Amino acid sequence: DSGVTQTPKHLITATGQRVTLRCSPRSGDLSVYWYQQSLDQGLQFLIQYYNGEERAKGNILERFSAQQFPDLHSELNLSSLELGDSALYFCASSDHGGLSYEQYFGPGTRLTVT
Amino acid sequence: DAKTTQPNSMESNEEEPVHLPCNHSTISGTDYIHWYRQLPSQGPEYVIHGLTSNVNNRMASLAIAEDRKSSTLILHRATLRDAAVYYCILREGQGGSEKLVFGKGTKLTVNP
Repeated sequence: DSGVTQTPKHLITATGQRVTLRCSPRSGDLSVYWYQQSLDQGLQFLIQYYNGEERAKGNILERFSAQQFPDLHSELNLSSLELGDSALYFCASSDHGGLSYEQYFGPGTRLTVT
Repeated sequence: DAKTTQPNSMESNEEEPVHLPCNHSTISGTDYIHWYRQLPSQGPEYVIHGLTSNVNNRMASLAIAEDRKSSTLILHRATLRDAAVYYCILREGQGGSEKLVFGKGTKLTVNP
């Protein structure tokens, strides 16, 4: 158990819809990262938040957005969903103040768009 | 992003050592070498990291070439639970980008 929790575990929705994925980082971790894992693209970094502020952006679509709240939990919002958005979405957290920056990953949310 | 090259797959027998290679010829002086693994149906899991010297922890050992252009992850006694995809990743040092750039990794199969 990494200490990172993600809800829901599974999500099935239709094209055009909007969903919200939630992540609670390990206690004390200030950084939250979102990754997408699909069969054709592999594991891809989407976005990072540090203590409520956006810190780095990867291959995140404009239809996707994220935020980190004062209690440090984070949400990833996916809108106007397309079939190609079906994937596993992982959240990770890290202790930004540490020297090694290892990231701890949650169990993921499996999104299926039909 | 600095690139790494790993074999697509490797096979091992239970209780034998496993050496997983990684080439990173374009590594810069401040890049750390990180290894993560992903067990089936789970999120990636940190294994080990290093900069220049060889490193050991409870999970594995990391051997880094003197010129830092390659490294080897060593599992001293493979178990069935070690069957996973292993990713070798270069990360910028403190103050640099913290994102992980995953390649395709090496799928390790452990035979009983």
